[in-house]
Amino acid sequence: GQQVMQIPQYQHVQEGEDFTTYCNSSTTLSNIQWYKQRPGGHPVFLIQLVKSGEVKKQKRLTFQFGEAKKNSSLHITATQTTDVGTYFCAGINSGTYKYIFGTGTRLKVLA
Amino acid sequence: EAEVAQSPRYKITEKSQAVAFWCDPISGHATLYWYRQILGQGPELLVQFQDESVVDDSQLPKDRFSAERLKGVDSTLKIQPAELGDSAMYLCASSPFGAGESYEQYFGPGTRLTVT
Repeated sequence: GQQVMQIPQYQHVQEGEDFTTYCNSSTTLSNIQWYKQRPGGHPVFLIQLVKSGEVKKQKRLTFQFGEAKKNSSLHITATQTTDVGTYFCAGINSGTYKYIFGTGTRLKVLA
Repeated sequence: EAEVAQSPRYKITEKSQAVAFWCDPISGHATLYWYRQILGQGPELLVQFQDESVVDDSQLPKDRFSAERLKGVDSTLKIQPAELGDSAMYLCASSPFGAGESYEQYFGPGTRLTVT
């Protein structure tokens, strides 16, 4: 079946360092969304990418959708302690229209 | 700001008992999702409703789980009988489906189920 894997599974960084998580789907996606889940909280929508090769920025966060629409990345510049949480990508299979979440990357930021 | 409501927030039950969770989506959101999230993993879609119709329930263990959204507004997810492996967070989300290509989902706070 369709799988959406994220790497790394865990990442510890010093405050001020950069962080990147990668999302890889076994099938083509219609779009890709990114969510952040704080410890003990629920997923909160960050952004959606639709076009092949699309890049979007939100302050220190940069999101990219791959040319083949099978992968994506989230890059955080100069991490802060408020960035702590688990980042999930999610997308819709372009063939089946089934929605699936990635495995998530858990980020810890050390002050 | 409108939010997705879920109740109860926490539920402890013994195995073989029945449990039910309730979700009230954001007003006007046609699409409603139920997810199960095991600690340390991503949310797993159990069932998706478009108004009162089930769009996808391929991951719902139908021998023990059922879901309904009778009037196309709020929804109930039921487990009967509960098993130890059902211990997880159950998340409800809604989406303004049909708003262009946006499938942004708004999640509720979840119900944490513990089966003993």
